[in-house]
Amino acid sequence: GAVVSQHPSWVICKSGTSVKIECRSLDFQATTMFWYRQFPKQSLMLMATSNEGSKATYEQGVEKDKFLINHASLTLSTLTVTSAHPEDSSFYICSARPGENTGELFFGEGSRLTVL
Amino acid sequence: AQSVAQPEDQVNVAEGNPLTVKCTYSVSGNPYLFWYVQYPNRGLQFLLKYITGDNLVKGSYGFEAEFNKSQTSFHLKKPSALVSDSALYFCAVRDTGSARQLTFGSGTQLTVLP
Repeated sequence: GAVVSQHPSWVICKSGTSVKIECRSLDFQATTMFWYRQFPKQSLMLMATSNEGSKATYEQGVEKDKFLINHASLTLSTLTVTSAHPEDSSFYICSARPGENTGELFFGEGSRLTVL
Repeated sequence: AQSVAQPEDQVNVAEGNPLTVKCTYSVSGNPYLFWYVQYPNRGLQFLLKYITGDNLVKGSYGFEAEFNKSQTSFHLKKPSALVSDSALYFCAVRDTGSARQLTFGSGTQLTVLP
């Protein structure tokens, strides 16, 4: 299947700093990528839909200024957690769908963010 | 609106026994249905999907699922469980008549006991 790469896998940062997470589609082009947040032993919560060349579409309740999304190319989307605080600590997962709209999503390996 | 319910937080089964992980859904139109598996600190891996056609769908690692429209269910099954199948399983649905993205269930932790 298609491969989605996410980096970094783990990141620890101090409160108040910003952290960037990259999501790359390695063997396909993705005009749309999705960013999820997952709390321990809980389901995935869709944060935003990242659209290549345009602004991301955020889900209700997700702060646009806190979670900056940039989709500058057909193979790369980035999520920047700005001025991170301990409550932003979570597991962030990206996904993308190659090809037709009926296809399955392919997920990155996730990024574990810990804010001290 | 679309929603998915996984009624069991935890399923335990002995190795070699058949396993079932339950999923029911609610959509206004026709559903696209998916099963994913997640290992600790990893992303989700696709197992199988139902789009149209045969109600019994076969997927990766010997898993299968049966689409039941009258019961609005899409239960995941495997005839003989392996210890390595122990993981977190998510059912997901997308309403074909909606622009909404996938909605995931709450997940079911499967533990296969040796």
